[in-house]
Order: sequence, then structure tokens, then C-alpha cells
Amino acid sequence: DAGVTQSPTHLIKTRGQQVTLRCSPKSGHDTVSWYQQALGQGPQFIFQYYEEEERQRGNFPDRFSGHQFPNYSSELNVNALLLGDSALYLCASSLEWGTPETQYFGPGTRLLVL
Amino acid sequence: AQKVTQAQTEISVVEKEDVTLDCVYETRDTTYYLFWYKQPPSGELVFLIRRNSFDEQNEISGRYSWNFQKSTSSFNFTITASQVVDSAVYFCALSEAMIKAAGNKLTFGGGTRVLVKP
Repeated sequence: DAGVTQSPTHLIKTRGQQVTLRCSPKSGHDTVSWYQQALGQGPQFIFQYYEEEERQRGNFPDRFSGHQFPNYSSELNVNALLLGDSALYLCASSLEWGTPETQYFGPGTRLLVL
Repeated sequence: AQKVTQAQTEISVVEKEDVTLDCVYETRDTTYYLFWYKQPPSGELVFLIRRNSFDEQNEISGRYSWNFQKSTSSFNFTITASQVVDSAVYFCALSEAMIKAAGNKLTFGGGTRVLVKP
């Protein structure tokens, strides 16, 4: 049973560029959440997708956007990158949005903005 | 608003010692879920346990045990007879997830780094 997968594993960008991160959920899961984890801190919720719609959003600017595809996979897009966007981006999947199901995390994408 | 506090930023122990990680949470909801995750150096968050607010029974799984006390809003985690492989960052998290429109986002604490020395 495949777990949550993310690509790429590492990424280096410069300020002002745009980046797209990808996530495939655990088999059978239909809800995808994205988190940002700065160095030495706990993950911060960015947003959650279910049925191809953004259902809940954390305190992140509009530069952060996402998409969910019919096969439940998801993308996180960040425009106009800032140095402060350097972080580990974690994707998590769960079953049935709105229920207290456990979220399972992928290995993350480490983004460095220079 | 919900909040999770892990006051211990780093704990260092010698192998075979017990280590307890503290977690204190704040929420206005009467129904909520608490989680512990382990993050090894590879970065992936590994799920350890989920506990709902109605179940205050302590739980033991191998060398891991959890003490949930609703009266003090705490959900502490103990590793018994620690091993080098237990070295990681441990996160406590809270989900207020009983309202459909609320989704099930997790609010994490700042994490506690555990270093187990041989």
C-alpha cells in the first residue's frame, strides 16, 4: 500500500520566481492538506482540498494557491517567492474531509529560496 | 482559537532512560482530537497516536505510553527505556474536527527534540 508521495524532494529557486510542488495521496484517501514547516518550528496549515475545491485555508497570502485533480493528487503553487518561503513543505492525506480522520504525511519537499 | 504548547524544546537522555514529553493545549471546543507525530531527520512526520476528547484512558503501545488529562488540558507522552532510534523531533497536534465545514486541519506545537545517547 503506497503512502503519500511528494515531488520533488529538494528545490532551489530565486526570489520572485514561481514554484509548483506535487503530492499523491495515500491509496484510498480523498482529502489533501498542505503544511509549511520552517526550520526549528512546527508545521503550519496552509490549506486543505477535497472534491477538487479548497475547503479550508490557514493564514497564508494569496501567493499560495493549490489544485486538486480528479485522481485526488494535488499541487501547491507559490508565486513571487520570498526568502521567507524557504521551508519544508509537507503534504498530508486523509479520508473524508470534515471528519476527524488521521492525516498521514509525505516526506516533504525542501524549498530553498535564494 | 486553538493552541498547542510544547514547553520543552530539547531533551537529552542516555539510552535506557525514560523520557516524558509535555503537551498542553487550548481549545474552546468540547469535542476535539489530539495526536502525536514523530519526525526523524529524514523529515517525514510519522503518526504515533490519536486520542479523542471523550476518552481519557491512558494508552500503552510497546515502549510508548500516553497520559491524557482533560482537567489540566495535557496530553503527555512517555518513552520507556529509550533507544538511540528514538532520537527525533516529536510533535503534539490538535484537531477540532467535528464540524463538517471546519475540515480537519491540525494545529501543531513547536516540537520537542529528543536526543538519545548510547
